[in-house]
Amino acid sequence: GQNIDQPTEMTATEGAIVQINCTYQTSGFNGLFWYQQHAGEAPTFLSYNVLDGLEEKGRFSSFLSRSKGYSYLLLKELQMKDSASYLCPTMNRDDKIIFGKGTRLHILP
Amino acid sequence: GAVVSQHPSWVICKSGTSVKIECRSLDFQATTMFWYRQFPKQSLMLMATSNEGSKATYEQGVEKDKFLINHASLTLSTLTVTSAHPEDSSFYICSATPEERSYNSPLHFGNGTRLTVT
Repeated sequence: GQNIDQPTEMTATEGAIVQINCTYQTSGFNGLFWYQQHAGEAPTFLSYNVLDGLEEKGRFSSFLSRSKGYSYLLLKELQMKDSASYLCPTMNRDDKIIFGKGTRLHILP
Repeated sequence: GAVVSQHPSWVICKSGTSVKIECRSLDFQATTMFWYRQFPKQSLMLMATSNEGSKATYEQGVEKDKFLINHASLTLSTLTVTSAHPEDSSFYICSATPEERSYNSPLHFGNGTRLTVT
């Protein structure tokens, strides 16, 4: 099966750095994604990790450790528009993608 | 880039009526599309996997006779909510994966459909 665990809510300050953790149990693991979702909108793709290590993309970086079933999303130079939910779904070898409950990130001025 | 179009964006219907939601891949072929439902402040819940030319695969707890899925072509999947009730009011989102996988964005979402049943 597939199970995703993330903190429900986090708060950070504009201009700061925040790390959102994600742990998973996925049979036939075939990658982990990070998506951003603003309320009432479809998710927006941020990153995809299938191998261990850190992927950096501008202000956002994503890390994966397959042996630990662990990933994190690192957001730097936080902006008010980064207030959103962050999702870390995993994909199995049947291409089925399962979402956890997501982390609601609140940015304070 | 790959685009998935979902229609309508929002719909209001009366209890007992049926509503059809379309999901189209505009510039790629998708043998598989996925339908999700999201209640306020909840995660996206996978409802079913839509397979072109064959029956959809439903997740546990999702009524296949209530949520009819048709995937008649490589670019179109439809979800019909039959005999809708107020508890079916939700945000429905489809997604599709191109046959030629791009790991820069392997899962493309439609913009979602806000369904309100009165």
